[in-house]
Amino acid sequence: NAGVTQTPKFRILKIGQSMTLQCAQDMNHNYMYWYRQDPGMGLKLIYYSVGAGITDKGEVPNGYNVSRSTTEDFPLRLELAAPSQTSVYFCASSTVGVSQPQHFGDGTRLSIL
Amino acid sequence: QKEVEQDPGPLSVPEGAIVSLNCTYSNSAFQYFMWYRQYSRKGPELLMYTYSSGNKEDGRFTAQVDKSSKYISLFIRDSQPSDSATYLCAMSVSGGYQKVTFGIGTKLQVIP
Repeated sequence: NAGVTQTPKFRILKIGQSMTLQCAQDMNHNYMYWYRQDPGMGLKLIYYSVGAGITDKGEVPNGYNVSRSTTEDFPLRLELAAPSQTSVYFCASSTVGVSQPQHFGDGTRLSIL
Repeated sequence: QKEVEQDPGPLSVPEGAIVSLNCTYSNSAFQYFMWYRQYSRKGPELLMYTYSSGNKEDGRFTAQVDKSSKYISLFIRDSQPSDSATYLCAMSVSGGYQKVTFGIGTKLQVIP
């Protein structure tokens, strides 16, 4: 009963470094999402995917990239990390249907120093 | 003006109190309304889901939607220390699996 699993839970990066945040779900959900959560700003959508091979930009995509080669996995790539990318990142997934909500992982806390 | 406005709190109440949490919104196209609960260092989890206007009750929790006033509420009866969390309102035009706009969350503390 894993749901949405995010790794790592914590990470400190230096400015200019790159990293990949991993997200996996075992619910066979078509839709997957990446959000960032900053104090006083709420959850902002970075990228989303409606199925394997299909991704699209959300509200705040600059500085990030995604890929979706399988239904289960949706990694988020940070290139050239900047202090403005310090945040808590949440991955979510959902199945199709107006009454279907998004299910969230427990987040990756990322600090860029 | 933000699409969804939510008071961040914190809101402190004694155990057993009735809690009222609220959000206002500006987009009249929103039809699906959700409340998520987020414990510290955890991801949000869905608490209540309503479509259009009206009330929905689930145990100690009641969600209300007033589309004419663009105002939604979550009531918690007989509040417990385990209810201490941040409560996020969320709204969507096309359903909970589509683009969802979240409030910033209200932090609630229930004091024993």
